[in-house]
Amino acid sequence: EAGVTQSPTHLIKTRGQQATLRCSPISGHTSVYWYQQALGLGLQFLLWYDEGEERNRGNFPPRFSGRQFPNYSSELNVNALELEDSALYLCASSWSTTRGISYNEQFFGPGTRLTVL
Amino acid sequence: AQSVTQPDIHITVSEGASLELRCNYSYGATPYLFWYVQSPGQGLQLLLKYFSGDTLVQGIKGFEAEFKRSQSSFNLRKPSVHWSDAAEYFCAVGAWAGKSTFGDGTTLTVKP
Repeated sequence: EAGVTQSPTHLIKTRGQQATLRCSPISGHTSVYWYQQALGLGLQFLLWYDEGEERNRGNFPPRFSGRQFPNYSSELNVNALELEDSALYLCASSWSTTRGISYNEQFFGPGTRLTVL
Repeated sequence: AQSVTQPDIHITVSEGASLELRCNYSYGATPYLFWYVQSPGQGLQLLLKYFSGDTLVQGIKGFEAEFKRSQSSFNLRKPSVHWSDAAEYFCAVGAWAGKSTFGDGTTLTVKP
């Protein structure tokens, strides 16, 4: 069974540009989560999508956005890139949730390393 | 609000020695607890999880963890460490409304 996949592996952008990161969940999983892992800051929750809808977001500015497609894959967009956006962005997926509450085990992809110059 | 504390930023043990990584959590109800491992440049792999029932949980790669409600702890243990266990370990509480909370991680170095 294929795991969570993310593309690209590495992404280099300059300040002010936009970045698009992609994630394909494990087959059968409908929930997708995005995390930012910046050096020295640990894993920070970004976004949670379930069945095509944004269910929750972390304490990030609106220039961090995303969507989930009908096939449950997901895209994270970061607009107006800043130097401090440089980080490893991790995507995770899990089984469907109940009443919008997810306690399910999350399976992580290998991440996309975003570097902003 | 939920939170997770991993008091040890870095731990060094000799190969073959026992290991204990500490995790303390804060959560208003019965927690769902996880331990993940991350090798350099890779994503997180689940080692074990606690949802309910037996407070001693067995995981992959010979790891186990014990949930102690009275101490709000979920410490990870391994009786004999292998060089391949060198990695970063994360404890997590999850995940009401998808918002899992992770500790800052403990980096494990294994001496030959």
